[in-house]
Formats: sequence, structure tokens, C-alpha cells
Amino acid sequence: EAQVTQNPRYLITVTGKKLTVTCSQNMNHEYMSWYRQDPGLGLRQIYYSMNVEVTDKGDVPEGYKVSRKEKRNFPLILESPSPNQTSLYFCATHRTGLAFFGQGTRLTVV
Amino acid sequence: KQEVTQIPAALSVPEGENLVLNCSFTDSAIYNLQWFRQDPGKGLTSLLLIQSSQREQTSGRLNASLDKSSGRSTLYIAASQPGDSATYLCAVDTGANSKLTFGKGITLSVRP
Repeated sequence: EAQVTQNPRYLITVTGKKLTVTCSQNMNHEYMSWYRQDPGLGLRQIYYSMNVEVTDKGDVPEGYKVSRKEKRNFPLILESPSPNQTSLYFCATHRTGLAFFGQGTRLTVV
Repeated sequence: KQEVTQIPAALSVPEGENLVLNCSFTDSAIYNLQWFRQDPGKGLTSLLLIQSSQREQTSGRLNASLDKSSGRSTLYIAASQPGDSATYLCAVDTGANSKLTFGKGITLSVRP
């Protein structure tokens, strides 16, 4: 079964404490990306990766980092989280257009 | 810059009604368009993908159409059921880094 797995599903953290949200896909897709979803703003792309070791900024990359050392994994790193990064985060992968999304990570930064 | 609009933001219909959800986009140079379903607290599930060369796609009670020249897509849901209650989002892929540009979604409620 095609899957995109994110962990954790829920996270409450304090300002400034580094965290990583993991994302893994089992479809051997080259393209992966991260989105955040906020009320009234919809889904916006944070970072994307076209292949291993190839990453680039999306529309809202400030405050985030990513890495792509293996094709299946694409972690999202918040070096110093701030309250404005409280959001619902989605990892996605697609090939030939069809997109698959993870179940989401609800992050609260206090 | 591509913008995707979905109006209205919310819709409530009685069970059994056929309904149409609309999506419009500003730049007709798209690679494809997808319709997604999102249940509360859950991820997005792709319902239908329409490539730029296609005019429509069908899956069960769902039919999506695409008119690139006018920048519009519609999702038709036949014989709606309470289980169809969810938020429906459309997204366009302009082919530039494969980024999906999303509308804000239409929250559908189907009343028994």
C-alpha cells in the first residue's frame, strides 16, 4: 500500500527548542515536499526536493530546514521554533501528477 | 502568480442532492489539476487528477471537468451522502518545481 508516514502526529513544544518532524514514503518517488496549512491561508509549500541531495525553497521557507539524504526520507527541521510556526504540517510526494499526502503533524509552539 | 479560488467556503445540502463544487485559477498554463478530500484532523486524499490535455475524469459518483481556457474546474458529486461531508480542495500544478497551488477549500455538509 502506498504510504506517506509522518511522525509525530501531534507535538507541543516551547519556543526555541529544536525539533524534527520525520517523513517517509514507500513509493520510491523522487519528488517530496512539505506544506503547512493555516486557517484562512490554506496550504502553502515550505520546501521541496526533486531528488536525493536536491532541495529548494517553497513559498514560506523562513525558519525551516530540510535534508534529503535518502530517497524515502525527507525530514523537516525547526532549529528554533516560534509561536508563528504553530500549524498543521503535511509531507507529500508525487509522480506523474498524482499526489500522496501524509496524515499531518499538528504542531503547537508555546 | 497562480491563484486558486473556491467559492463558496461552505455548503450544506440534503442527502441525495446532486451538487457541483467550483474551482477557478488565474493562470491557464497548468500541468494538471487535482481534487482532494480532507476529513477533519486528517490528511489529504486525492480524488481525481486531470491532466492538462484532458477535459474530465470520473470515479464512481464523482466527475471532475477542466476548462483550461476559462481557468475553471468543477467537481460534480452525484446523489450525495452524509459520508461525503468533508472539505474539498482543488490544486493546480503549473509544472514549475511541481508545486501544488491550493484553493482554500469548500467545506461540504450533507444532511441526512
